[in-house]
Amino acid sequence: DTAVSQTPKYLVTQMGNDKSIKCEQNLGHDTMYWYKQDSKKFLKIMFSYNNKELIINETVPNRFSPKSPDKAHLNLHINSLELGDSAVYFCASSQEPRSGELFFGEGSRLTVL
Amino acid sequence: GQSLEQPSEVTAVEGAIVQINCTYQTSGFYGLSWYQQHDGGAPTFLSYNALDGLEETGRFSSFLSRSDSYGYLLLQELQMKDSASYFCAVRDPQLSGGYNKLIFGAGTRLAVHP
Repeated sequence: DTAVSQTPKYLVTQMGNDKSIKCEQNLGHDTMYWYKQDSKKFLKIMFSYNNKELIINETVPNRFSPKSPDKAHLNLHINSLELGDSAVYFCASSQEPRSGELFFGEGSRLTVL
Repeated sequence: GQSLEQPSEVTAVEGAIVQINCTYQTSGFYGLSWYQQHDGGAPTFLSYNALDGLEETGRFSSFLSRSDSYGYLLLQELQMKDSASYFCAVRDPQLSGGYNKLIFGAGTRLAVHP
């Protein structure tokens, strides 16, 4: 059973399009995250939700909109895609943030042409 | 601001021992984590140090010195499968998002050769 699952795994799209990535975790964790990993492998936090409440909203263009319908799901919608949005987007979850342990999904590789 | 520094690349041979260092600058500090990521894969948690000293988990150990703002990951009896990127990460409770925000270093790419 996959603990944190994301779909789709790959997205290839044109500039200006809108796309969504979905994430689900079956670990019963309260906190979920979106991280962006660029071509240099730098992992940067974008958003975090705790029990459906937005608790971290980093300096991210407002074209990016997260949504958490319940504590097991966290989706990411991106409007008007730009070339610079090409990256791997990772969803993650944690039960006890102070433990330093996050459980990551397999990532969604977004390529904007 | 916050910064974490780790070497960009390390090379070693099978069976050897390698140490990956991480120094951090943060306003506050709540523990140092280490993650492994194979090419095309997801980051996976390796270890966490909240207090000074050495934590051992099998072939991997992690060390923290809070007074020096420094930690390292020690990999022993290296195997080919250890070739991956290794990230240190910290939590700074003084940032917005506090304990929930895990900030990653740029990663160290470890290449293990026969």
